[in-house]
Amino acid sequence: DAKTTQPTSMDCAEGRAANLPCNHSTISGNEYVYWYRQIHSQGPQYIIHGLKNNETNEMASLIITEDRKSSTLILPHATLRDTAVYYCIVTYGGSQGNLIFGKGTKLSVKP
Amino acid sequence: GAVVSQHPSRVICKSGTSVKIECRSLDFQATTMFWYRQFPKQSLMLMATSNEGSKATYEQGVEKDKFLINHASLTLSTLTVTSAHPEDSSFYICSTTAEIAKNIQYFGAGTRLSVL
Repeated sequence: DAKTTQPTSMDCAEGRAANLPCNHSTISGNEYVYWYRQIHSQGPQYIIHGLKNNETNEMASLIITEDRKSSTLILPHATLRDTAVYYCIVTYGGSQGNLIFGKGTKLSVKP
Repeated sequence: GAVVSQHPSRVICKSGTSVKIECRSLDFQATTMFWYRQFPKQSLMLMATSNEGSKATYEQGVEKDKFLINHASLTLSTLTVTSAHPEDSSFYICSTTAEIAKNIQYFGAGTRLSVL
């Protein structure tokens, strides 16, 4: 699986959009970009995933650059409950094998 | 999304005892379940992949005789930490994929194990 690089931490004001970047310059053509998050002392939660096209669901939007070497997760209106560690993971789709979790980005949403 | 129930959420035990952690898929069949471990301030590390009706596949460095995995039904996998020691204290998390959404992993809430 391709490696990813994320900032260690980010702050965001409550109600504002949170934009979390991820670099995955060695991604291969059939690897997907997945985002999970982990709220303190809980199990990770799936957010969104994509291959080439931008994706949007009820939780977030995923913007993938045309060369697929980087992506951005957007939480349009961050709330205090969005404070968590966000993991960007590149892996093959289909029936998933193990997910390789990096250090992620600690997002702190502040009032 | 699919619901994965993990029990217990927290356990404190004496050194040398064994601890069993259960992971249940509540509304779907889970032929494959994954077990992760997370030490404080670190990321999740896969320990093993549990397949219903067959032996689990362990990651390099994980002792299969110490971390016993049983996946006897399509809705239940158990992880038993045998002869637990303080260095086994960690956050253990299970996950699975649902047949209808094989490309997404659903995680349990985790079990905090503290070995005294």
